[in-house]
Amino acid sequence: DTAVSQTPKYLVTQMGNDKSIKCEQNLGHDTMYWYKQDSKKFLKIMFSYNNKELIINETVPNRFSPKSPDKAHLNLHINSLELGDSAVYFCASSQGRAPWETQYFGPGTRLLVL
Amino acid sequence: AQSVTQLGSHVSVSEGALVLLRCNYSSSVPPYLFWYVQYPNQGLQLLLKYTSAATLVKGINGFEAEFKKSETSFHLTKPSAHMSDAAEYFCAVSEQASGGSYIPTFGRGTSLIVHP
Repeated sequence: DTAVSQTPKYLVTQMGNDKSIKCEQNLGHDTMYWYKQDSKKFLKIMFSYNNKELIINETVPNRFSPKSPDKAHLNLHINSLELGDSAVYFCASSQGRAPWETQYFGPGTRLLVL
Repeated sequence: AQSVTQLGSHVSVSEGALVLLRCNYSSSVPPYLFWYVQYPNQGLQLLLKYTSAATLVKGINGFEAEFKKSETSFHLTKPSAHMSDAAEYFCAVSEQASGGSYIPTFGRGTSLIVHP
């Protein structure tokens, strides 16, 4: 059973389109995250939700909008896709929001914007 | 603000040789430090973490790391490399943000190459 799952695994789309990535965790965790990993493997946090409440929002363009319908799901919607949005997007979860919490990552969604 | 610096974007070792991956942090308060591993086309998984208990931390797959406050370091070691250790390794620190949340901040990663 996959602990943190993401769909789709691959996403190829044209500039200007709108797309969504879905994430689900079955670990019973309270906190979920979205990360962006660029072509040089640099990993940067975008958003974090704790019990459906947004707690971290890191200087991400307004075209990116996270939504958490319940604490097991955190989706990412991207409007007006740009070439620079091409990256691997990782969802992660942790038991809580304490600084010592281990993060559990999904397998990633590879987004290519043409 | 806290940050981590990983020295060496690539480290190459022979199978059976010692693995040493370097991580230095900058912090004015005791940090929480992590090492994660990313195998090709996969997400990250935790190797080990330092949470102010023992300074020598043992993790999975024979890896360990030593927290040295005087050197602000948290280097990752393994006595004998295996081919299956070839992966990207990330050092990370929890950084406190406004509102009381903690932001995980990752280093730029070190790619470990293991030669037969």
